[in-house]
Amino acid sequence: QVQLVQSGSELKKPGASVKVSCKASGYTLTKYALNWVRQAPGQGLEWMGWINTITENPTYARAFTGRFVFSLDTSVNTAYLQISSLTAEDTAVYYCARPSLDGYNYYFDYWGQGTLVTVSS
Amino acid sequence: DIVMTQSPDSLAVSLGERATVSCKSSQTVLYSSNSKSSLAWYQQKPGQPPNLLIYWASTRESGVPDRFSGSGSGTDFTLTISSLQAEDVALYYCQQYYRTPYTFGQGTKLEI
Repeated sequence: QVQLVQSGSELKKPGASVKVSCKASGYTLTKYALNWVRQAPGQGLEWMGWINTITENPTYARAFTGRFVFSLDTSVNTAYLQISSLTAEDTAVYYCARPSLDGYNYYFDYWGQGTLVTVSS
Repeated sequence: DIVMTQSPDSLAVSLGERATVSCKSSQTVLYSSNSKSSLAWYQQKPGQPPNLLIYWASTRESGVPDRFSGSGSGTDFTLTISSLQAEDVALYYCQQYYRTPYTFGQGTKLEI
């Protein structure tokens, strides 16, 4: 069965970097796009962008340009989100999400369990 | 960017009664190639990722109880739960996938 399994919670100091992984199982990562969604504490869902898993070309929402990097390691069927120069405002749960249709990045029917990144001194 | 606005922000409904959540987009999300609106609804329970309920505004995802239905087209959409069950207490979000950046509504908290 299809699963997206994310890495565990992280506690980081301001200015540090973090890399969140999202391992796909039950399907080949390159068959579907891969999206990232952020949810700050007590807040709603915010689409961060997506990565074309064939070309490895990322697309970032405006608020997520500069410090955020989407990447892949297709040899281990895993996607990554790296955030640099962390601030307290980056404290959130980060989700990876797969669209329902291969070839089309539309609605998301599979989600990772979420990774809580806490930034605190 | 397309702004998605949900109403109300919170809603209390008695068990067995109907619950209705509205979602409006700042511009049309009607996809001309298939004449369908690019609008999805998700349910999120505490500590869990969102769960897809409805896509193309009115198509129910496999396994979703038929008490959940979606309607609307263009810019105005509705999620209806025909007979509220205790397990439906959750946050509900609409999302447009017509154009990037994909955007979500602010969420509606549904309580008993």
